[in-house]
Amino acid sequence: GQSLEQPSEVTAVEGAIVQINCTYQTSGFYGLSWYQQHDGGAPTFLSYNALDGLEETGRFSSFLSRSDSYGYLLLQELQMKDSASYFCAVRDLAGTALIFGKGTTLSVSS
Amino acid sequence: DAGVTQSPTHLIKTRGQQVTLRCSPISGHKSVSWYQQVLGQGPQFIFQYYEKEERGRGNFPDRFSARQFPNYSSELNVNALLLGDSALYLCASSLPGGSDRDGYTFGSGTRLTVV
Repeated sequence: GQSLEQPSEVTAVEGAIVQINCTYQTSGFYGLSWYQQHDGGAPTFLSYNALDGLEETGRFSSFLSRSDSYGYLLLQELQMKDSASYFCAVRDLAGTALIFGKGTTLSVSS
Repeated sequence: DAGVTQSPTHLIKTRGQQVTLRCSPISGHKSVSWYQQVLGQGPQFIFQYYEKEERGRGNFPDRFSARQFPNYSSELNVNALLLGDSALYLCASSLPGGSDRDGYTFGSGTRLTVV
């Protein structure tokens, strides 16, 4: 089966940089996705890595190392509005479902 | 353009009752997926429908069922509700043939409370 591990909580201050790690175990791998969710609202797609390396989208970057079954989400120039839960996710073997980690709650303080 | 819309937003039901949740995907999106999110956990896959056919089913009991209509909207039905069914139910739509690079677009969900 598939499983993902990520830290449950991360705290940081405004303007700082934070990294949220994700390790995964899966029999077949299609890529690693990241979603953001504010207070039980709609999860919002942030980024996707299918190949090794860094993908940058504004203040957010995502990294993947397939050999290490590891990825991370990097958030720069943190703002209060970045306080949210962040989920990493992989496809299931059939390719029809996303399997999510338990999520990392990021708290940004002033 | 309207995003993914779900109704109702909140619902309170009694154990043993039945519930129907509704989802309208983004215009042009033909695939709809349902997820259950228990407090403090990540979303868990329930169903995926594409062109009115079930394409995938998660590890949920037969009390859970769904269908997709010709206009690509979808309903999730849960029978014989249990206290453990209390959760946020999320609907996600995606483009036909869309890849993970496009991501899913989720609705804001239906918060179901079973008492």
